[in-house]
Amino acid sequence: NAGVTQTPKFQVLKTGQSMTLQCAQDMNHEYMSWYRQDPGMGLRLIHYSVGAGITDQGEVPNGYNVSRSTTEDFPLRLLSAAPSQTSVYFCASGSTGELFFGEGSRLTVL
Amino acid sequence: TQLLEQSPQFLSIQEGENLTVYCNSSSVFSSLQWYRQEPGEGPVLLVTVVTGGEVKKLKRLTFQFGDARKDSSLHITAAQPGDTGLYLCAGESTPGNQFYFGTGTSLTVIP
Repeated sequence: NAGVTQTPKFQVLKTGQSMTLQCAQDMNHEYMSWYRQDPGMGLRLIHYSVGAGITDQGEVPNGYNVSRSTTEDFPLRLLSAAPSQTSVYFCASGSTGELFFGEGSRLTVL
Repeated sequence: TQLLEQSPQFLSIQEGENLTVYCNSSSVFSSLQWYRQEPGEGPVLLVTVVTGGEVKKLKRLTFQFGDARKDSSLHITAAQPGDTGLYLCAGESTPGNQFYFGTGTSLTVIP
């Protein structure tokens, strides 16, 4: 049972480059979300989706885009990476009262 | 702006001691969860509380949801080194929608 799968696990970018963090879940959850985790800040919600074709902004959406074309996939796009986006990113899917997380993607922007 | 504030941020205690972690907010949530995170891994759900005033026990861990569904506490009895980790509370804005996390409490239990 794969659960939530994130790729890549590690990535180094230069300022201004673009990239996509991939997230896939096999639990048929309608809800999916992206978080970033920084020291002392807990997890901050970037974007979320309550179903295919529906996305919305969380607490810190600037600099990130998402789309939800299928129930399974929820990619996070950085169009022009900035050093402030250096962080660990977590994808989660879930239903009422519970979330399941991927193992995280550590991104460094130089 | 963080919707949920946790205290303390860091906690280092000796094995066998008791501890309480607090999670506070000015917002009302449909449910509140507690997660535990190990280094290099994603958070893992420990418990979900739904009803105001609800108390749940998981072995040596006791979770309580405030009467107004705005705050929660996690109490650990006789802490063990295996309890070491980052504890995160999360509030569910509406059922199945918008989960907001607290700032986290890093617990170290010294043998």
